Amino acid sequence: DGGITQSPKYLFRKEGQNVTLSCEQNLNHDAMYWYRQDPGQGLRLIYYSQIVNDFQKGDIAEGYSVSREKKESFPLTVTSAQKNPTAFYLCASSPRVHYGYTFGSGTRLTVV
Amino acid sequence: GIQVEQSPPDLILQEGANSTLRCNFSDSVNNLQWFHQNPWGQLINLFYIPSGTKQNGRLSATTVATERYSLLYISSSQTTDSGVYFCAVGPLAGGTSYGKLTFGQGTILTVHP
Repeated sequence: DGGITQSPKYLFRKEGQNVTLSCEQNLNHDAMYWYRQDPGQGLRLIYYSQIVNDFQKGDIAEGYSVSREKKESFPLTVTSAQKNPTAFYLCASSPRVHYGYTFGSGTRLTVV
Repeated sequence: GIQVEQSPPDLILQEGANSTLRCNFSDSVNNLQWFHQNPWGQLINLFYIPSGTKQNGRLSATTVATERYSLLYISSSQTTDSGVYFCAVGPLAGGTSYGKLTFGQGTILTVHP
C-alpha cells in the first residue's frame, strides 16, 4: 500500500546534538512538507519542497535543515541551534495538482 | 500571513448527537482541507474542499469561499469520532506558495458512550 513512513517513532536527543528524522513516501507525490506540533497546539510549517533539489523555508525554519535529493525522501535535521526542539514532528506529501495532503504517523522528539 | 480560527475549541457530545465545527479564515484561499487527529497523533485527511459541499458517510463539509468560512458536520457521532479536528488553508497566490497550508488551532471533540 502507498503511504508515508516516518522513523523513528520516538527519539531522544542530548543537548547540543544534531538528529535527523526520516520521511519516505511511495505515493509519487511531488511536494513534501515538515510540520511541528506542540502540545495542545496546531501545526506549524518548518520546511516544504515542491520538487527534487529545491525547498523553501516555512514559518519556523530556524534551527532546522532539510534536503531533497530524491523524490521519495525528505529528511529533517534538528540542529543544536534549535532552542526548544521537544515536539511532535509530522511529515506530509501532496500531489502537484490535487493538493490533498497525506500525513505520516509522526516522530516524537524529546531533549534529555 | 493568513489567519485561521476554529470554533468551538472544545466540544463534548453523547453518542448519536450531531455537531457542527466552524473554520473562519482571513484571506482568499485556493486550498482548504479538514483533518482528524486521533489520540495516537495520526492525521487523516477528511476533505479537500476549497469551495462547495462534499459528503463522506456521516461527515459532510461546506466551504463558502466568498464569505471565508467552512463548516464540518458530523452526524450520529460515535466514540471513534473523538480526537482533534483541524482546518487548514492555502493561499490563493500561486508560485512558490502552492500546497503550503496554515493550520487552525483545532477543535477537541469528545464523544461519550
